[in-house]
Amino acid sequence: SQTIHQWPATLVQPVGSPLSLECTVEGTSNPNLYWYRQAAGRGLQLLFYSVGIGQISSEVPQNLSASRPQDRQFILSSKKLLLSDSGFYLCAWSVTGDNQPQHFGDGTRLSIL
Amino acid sequence: KNQVEQSPQSLIILEGKNCTLQCNYTVSPFSNLRWYKQDTGRGPVSLTIMTFSENTKSNGRYTATLDADTKQSSLHITASQLSDSASYICVVSAGWASKIIFGSGTRLSIRP
Repeated sequence: SQTIHQWPATLVQPVGSPLSLECTVEGTSNPNLYWYRQAAGRGLQLLFYSVGIGQISSEVPQNLSASRPQDRQFILSSKKLLLSDSGFYLCAWSVTGDNQPQHFGDGTRLSIL
Repeated sequence: KNQVEQSPQSLIILEGKNCTLQCNYTVSPFSNLRWYKQDTGRGPVSLTIMTFSENTKSNGRYTATLDADTKQSSLHITASQLSDSASYICVVSAGWASKIIFGSGTRLSIRP
């Protein structure tokens, strides 16, 4: 069966520090991969999605970046965190095709101090 | 503008009771509508997916309905259990990836 792992589960970082959140998927090949941010009381906001290795599409201009060095690995990064980067970050995968559900990881709670 | 609005924002009911959550959308073109359950501190989990031609779909005690003409959907929970306490998110897809619009969710609390 397919599983998705995100880590760390929680992270507290000072303003201006770098960031690296990792997401890996097991049990499937060539998944579509997504990074979302969820703010309290708001819907999920798509940050990045990827259809293959090295292929990244960005939805929201910001100081975050994403990379997909391997088929089932998706990394969210920042060189210098802002206070506004605090939030709940969710990674998801889906198979290619219409009407396919997204499967989410358990998220990373990021707090910027 | 593509939007998904859910109501109520929060709901408290007694264990064993039924409830219905609402979702209105203005997403176009329409591809599918999904309901997710999100436990506190966890990622959302898919409950149902409905395409344009489907007007109802069940998953155990959860039944989703879709009226594509009025652009409304509902999620009905029967005989609620304490484990149903969670946020329920309505998601409408207008195509793929960047055209997936999430509602802000309904926070459901089940009281014993």
